[in-house]
Amino acid sequence: QKEVEQDPGPLSVPEGAIVSLNCTYSNSAFQYFMWYRQYSRKGPELLMYTYSSGNKEDGRFTAQVDKSSKYISLFIRDSQPSDSATYLCALLMDSSYKLIFGSGTRLLVRP
Amino acid sequence: SAVISQKPSRDICQRGTSLTIQCQVDSQVTMMFWYRQQPGQSLTLIATANQGSEATYESGFVIDKFPISRPNLTFSTLTVSNMSPEDSSIYLCSVEDPVAKNIQYFGAGTRLSVL
Repeated sequence: QKEVEQDPGPLSVPEGAIVSLNCTYSNSAFQYFMWYRQYSRKGPELLMYTYSSGNKEDGRFTAQVDKSSKYISLFIRDSQPSDSATYLCALLMDSSYKLIFGSGTRLLVRP
Repeated sequence: SAVISQKPSRDICQRGTSLTIQCQVDSQVTMMFWYRQQPGQSLTLIATANQGSEATYESGFVIDKFPISRPNLTFSTLTVSNMSPEDSSIYLCSVEDPVAKNIQYFGAGTRLSVL
């Protein structure tokens, strides 16, 4: 069983839709949760970072963490074609530097 | 966030040869990391590089295959040695945020194809 599971997609939505991207994990030792966006032929770009259960909002993006269910989500409101990319969740244990990545979900926002 | 430059951005190499990838950061950082992203897969940590000490390798990665240098606080290199087609991947360096040490920023990556 992988430490982090993420649906690879692709996920295709019309412009303006609300997008929900999800990861599940198995080890309760993960304490820090990140979402990266990776455009084709580019490096991962940090979008959101959180360490507590609940919601964290930044513009059109909301990161949600449910530690009791070991489930994290990224919501994108009013999605734009420029949001088309691969979204990677990344988890980190306390006192560790090793990011554990999900496999990434490829998102396509259609104009 | 740090600005990270990687060179080369891509290369095509013959099997049996070696390639050295450079990573330059615009500020001093303690921890630098090297990741591999194989085609269609996610990122896997190869090793952690601290300035002034030997790199720490993850399970499945060895120094003879992936020697790393870290001569100062803004620069690191990763060498992919005696390459085979299985080494065809994207290699990425990352650095920790000097304040929020749980956050890592990534370079654009080096796209390597081995024939």
